[in-house]
Amino acid sequence: EIVLTQSPGTLSLAPGERATLSCRASQSVSSSFLAWYQQKPGQAPRLLIYGASIRATGIPDRFSGSGSGTDFTLTISRLEPEDFAVYYCQLYDTSQFTFGPGTRVDIK
Amino acid sequence: EVQLVQSGAEVKKPGESLKISCKASGYTFTNYWIGWVRQMPGKGLEWMGIIYPDDSDTRYGPSFQGQVTISADKSIGTAFLQWSSLKASDTATYYCARLNTGMNYWGQGTLVTVSS
Repeated sequence: EIVLTQSPGTLSLAPGERATLSCRASQSVSSSFLAWYQQKPGQAPRLLIYGASIRATGIPDRFSGSGSGTDFTLTISRLEPEDFAVYYCQLYDTSQFTFGPGTRVDIK
Repeated sequence: EVQLVQSGAEVKKPGESLKISCKASGYTFTNYWIGWVRQMPGKGLEWMGIIYPDDSDTRYGPSFQGQVTISADKSIGTAFLQWSSLKASDTATYYCARLNTGMNYWGQGTLVTVSS
């Protein structure tokens, strides 16, 4: 089973700053099956990015995804107050839907 | 509008059985996989398993095989997650989600508390 690791565990930033979140897979994966989610306290996760770089419906363009092989990145170009949350990457295909452990983005 | 509406919070004792539900609406239920995700208190997301309601093809995450049963009733557009004998460590919020390109629609979550 492929394992996803995310770094850093916590990212402390101010509104307006740029956030760069990393997701690394234990072996090469198809970028077609890499997603990113945002979760706020008490809420269900929300899909942000699928196919490594495609924004889901309604997601602002300050969110972008990139990467291939084993290394993937979620970038938030300028943090808005509502962006402080936990972010998870996920590998999805017909046999596994593994999540990474998450990166918390909190207010500095 | 696509909606997944989950059953309400449950409080159970260790050893009891439980079946929670996820009712889908706003799309053709049999055309999309449904997945279940566990989130233990203060922890991350864990994939439990998925089901294709049209033929009930089911796949389980390695940590959940044999621990839970996932099913679906396409006549009522509802997926289910059940336990035959709950443990305290099953205390968590459980989410259902529709699979397409990623999990693009989620239920509101069902909190299951197992305590003696």
